[in-house]
Amino acid sequence: DQQVKQNSPSLSVQEGRISILNCDYTNSMFDYFLWYKKYPAEGPTFLISISSIKDKNEDGRFTVFLNKSAKHLSLHIVPSQPGDSAVYFCAASSYNQGGKLIFGQGTELSVKP
Amino acid sequence: DARVTQTPRDKVTEMGQEVTMRCQPILGHNTVFWYRQTMMQGLELLAYFRNRAPLDDSGMPKDRFSAEMPDATLATLKIQPSEPRDSAVYFCASGLDTSNQPQHFGDGTRLSIL
Repeated sequence: DQQVKQNSPSLSVQEGRISILNCDYTNSMFDYFLWYKKYPAEGPTFLISISSIKDKNEDGRFTVFLNKSAKHLSLHIVPSQPGDSAVYFCAASSYNQGGKLIFGQGTELSVKP
Repeated sequence: DARVTQTPRDKVTEMGQEVTMRCQPILGHNTVFWYRQTMMQGLELLAYFRNRAPLDDSGMPKDRFSAEMPDATLATLKIQPSEPRDSAVYFCASGLDTSNQPQHFGDGTRLSIL
């Protein structure tokens, strides 16, 4: 039972355009959602997060949107840069369940110059 | 920037050997998590600790895996005996036990069991 799903294994975007990465979840107990970026041979790096009491959080070029009724979140990167090319993982947790992260399978983003 | 440190970065050993992976969490963090990444399963939680006490190790094969925190600066994950199916990248992460705080990951130990 996969509680967090990223249905697109890969995404290719032109430099300067918007990248939109999507994530769906099934567990309504999740109250905290995160996006991590991962380069090869490195650990996941925290990018941005959102609490379930919000529907949007913005940090520079990165914005995360949360739609609780649809159990859906998305990460927008504007404008996309070649250095953004990496695997992006969506993760979710519930404080009442110990804060352990449940990860999606990842989406590999390629930003082409 | 404070970082989670994992050693070794790479480990190749033969089936049946004991493997020990180490993690130094970020100073001041009181939760430590062990994850495993494989092609088939993605990133999955093996075990985690809060204030050095094990809270959940349901993700670990208990007959061969063990996780401990001898002190606040060291977490270990052992496999004995190792099997080829244990080949994966093992990540350690640490965080603060308050709501809405991200976990921070080390660069992992790439384990290959021949």
